[in-house]
Amino acid sequence: SQQGEEDPQALSIQEGENATMNCSYKTSINNLQWYRQNSGRGLVHLILIRSNEREKHSGRLRVTLDTSKKSSSLLITASRAADTASYFCATDGGQGAQKLVFGQGTRLTINP
Amino acid sequence: DGGITQSPKYLFRKEGQNVTLSCEQNLNHDAMYWYRQDPGQGLRLIYYSQIVNDFQKGDIAEGYSVSREKKESFPLTVTSAQKNPTAFYLCASSIPGEEQFFGPGTRLTVL
Repeated sequence: SQQGEEDPQALSIQEGENATMNCSYKTSINNLQWYRQNSGRGLVHLILIRSNEREKHSGRLRVTLDTSKKSSSLLITASRAADTASYFCATDGGQGAQKLVFGQGTRLTINP
Repeated sequence: DGGITQSPKYLFRKEGQNVTLSCEQNLNHDAMYWYRQDPGQGLRLIYYSQIVNDFQKGDIAEGYSVSREKKESFPLTVTSAQKNPTAFYLCASSIPGEEQFFGPGTRLTVL
């Protein structure tokens, strides 16, 4: 079953703009992770945020987590054409991250 | 170089055939996972293993089998019982509770 649901399903912006993607989930979690996938490739881990954290940064990426609303957002600032990819959130369903459940992803297109 | 490898990159299967997808990691991770991805969709868990000689079914295990005889290896067999096996298959490994590292994937097509 899909626990994480990303919104929007697709996003197209101009290079230099910020991109925001959202993820909602249903059950309690220990952590939430964001991954990136270029077309036809494996996934690359971006950020892991634990349930007791509210915000985390990594370079141009900022992730927030609101456990009361069971939601998370991924912000990419100053987007580049190379950021074009699909982005997935994944949650562990409170099972100690032994078994991640992925959402269907947001397809981000950065137009030059 | 440390990492996780999958082979082959492309695989073609005839109706009624079993095929085995290879996954190897040299990251010394205890946990390994197999996922299936259909076009435009997210990942669905097929099987996972937290330790050698032990594995658990994921959400879509029917028609698949695995083994975990070595820490480094977690091969997936797609059996003839899997009626719609055409998909992109991804293997991952991790330290339990931490990020997962993914291989490059195997694209399986049924002829």
